[in-house]
Amino acid sequence: DGGITQSPKYLFRKEGQNVTLSCEQNLNHDAMYWYRQDPGQGLRLIYYSQIVNDFQKGDIAEGYSVSREKKESFPLTVTSAQKNPTAFYLCASSPERQGHSYEQYFGPGTRLTVT
Amino acid sequence: AQSVAQPEDQVNVAEGNPLTVKCTYSVSGNPYLFWYVQYPNRGLQFLLKYITGDNLVKGSYGFEAEFNKSQTSFHLKKPSALVSDSALYFCAVRDVSGGYQKVTFGTGTKLQVIP
Repeated sequence: DGGITQSPKYLFRKEGQNVTLSCEQNLNHDAMYWYRQDPGQGLRLIYYSQIVNDFQKGDIAEGYSVSREKKESFPLTVTSAQKNPTAFYLCASSPERQGHSYEQYFGPGTRLTVT
Repeated sequence: AQSVAQPEDQVNVAEGNPLTVKCTYSVSGNPYLFWYVQYPNRGLQFLLKYITGDNLVKGSYGFEAEFNKSQTSFHLKKPSALVSDSALYFCAVRDVSGGYQKVTFGTGTKLQVIP
């Protein structure tokens, strides 16, 4: 899982509560990503950030929010507006450079269960 | 819009036999192509990528993939399967065209290597 840490590994919340998932990387990568993984659906992009203090919505951003105040950190908040938040959440980073395409490095994931 | 198809939800192969996991893609320009592997409750690990050049790409753990532009395919292969290769495999594509382009993942193929 490289130099990316996600915490906690398992998270349980009651419906209606906001929850923040942590993602930290020590790889000095510029770009960071949040994906959601559901069985049979592969990975879907929630948000991504190419540089500090900048981030963009992915395919399924509704009900989620992020911040990128530091290069190393890209926390994801799952808000009460997310209709179906129970899922496996993966954070990734890559050394994004114009004209190049690098592979992404993934964290170990956080499994969120909302009841 | 770019897309990736992994037509098989599961592939079963006997230990020692060659394995193939299929992937086809669609992009408007030239593709960057990736294969990742995921073990249960873990993040994705990078296996190999095609950027340009030789159509046969070699990667980690004895895996290789063949880029076929005319068939828009990037099948993952290994000459002799191991039980420890059993995992979930994801193909991913990114359009090379200018500006930032997100990575699109397939839905995954579960590989089961039978002892």
